[in-house]
Amino acid sequence: ETGVTQSPTHLIKTRGQQVTLRCSSQSGHNTVSWYQQALGQGPQFIFQYYREEENGRGNFPPRFSGLQFPNYSSELNVNALELDDSALYLCASSVVTGGKDEQFFGPGTRLTVL
Amino acid sequence: GQNIDQPTEMTATEGAIVQINCTYQTSGFNGLFWYQQHAGEAPTFLSYNVLDGLEEKGRFSSFLSRSKGYSYLLLKELQMKDSASYLCAVTGGSYIPTFGRGTSLIVHP
Repeated sequence: ETGVTQSPTHLIKTRGQQVTLRCSSQSGHNTVSWYQQALGQGPQFIFQYYREEENGRGNFPPRFSGLQFPNYSSELNVNALELDDSALYLCASSVVTGGKDEQFFGPGTRLTVL
Repeated sequence: GQNIDQPTEMTATEGAIVQINCTYQTSGFNGLFWYQQHAGEAPTFLSYNVLDGLEEKGRFSSFLSRSKGYSYLLLKELQMKDSASYLCAVTGGSYIPTFGRGTSLIVHP
C-alpha cells in the first residue's frame, strides 16, 4: 500500500506567477483535502474533493483552485502568487465514512514566493 | 465558525508525563483528532475521540469532554523523539477538520 505523495518537494516562484502542485492519494482513498500551513501555525483548510467534485472550501480566494482526477490524484493551482502564499502545502487523503475520517498526509510542498 | 485553542509551547523532562490541553467552540461536532508533526514533516495521526472519556493507545492517551468543549493529550514516559508539534483538530457538521495552531513540545534530558 503506497502512501500519499506530493510533488514537487520545494518550489520557488516570484510574485504574480502561477503554480501547480500535485498529489497522489493513498490507495483506496476517494477524498483529498488541501491545506496551507504557514510557519508556526496549524494547517488551514483550502478545499476538499470527493469523487472529482469539490466537497467543501475554506476561506481562500478564487485564485486557489483544484482538480481531482478519476484515479483520485489531485492538483492545487494558485494564480497571481502573493508573498503571503509562501507556506507548506499539504495534501491529505481519506475515505469518507461520516465519522472517523482519518486524514493521511503527504510530505508537503514548500512554496516560497519572492 | 470554529475556534480551537491550545498552548503555544510546553517543555518537559525525559521520562516524565505531560498533558496538552485543547479547548474548542464549534458549530456541530463529529469528532476530535490529535496529530503529531515533527519539524519539516507531515502531520501523523495519533488519536480520535467522538464520545466522552479516555482513549488509551500505548504511551499516548486522549480525553474528551463534549459538554466542556475540552480535550487533552497525555504523553507518558516521555522520550526525546516526542519533541514535536501536537495539533488538535475538530470536525464539525461538515466532517472537515479545523486545526488548532499546534503546541510545540520540547523534551529535554
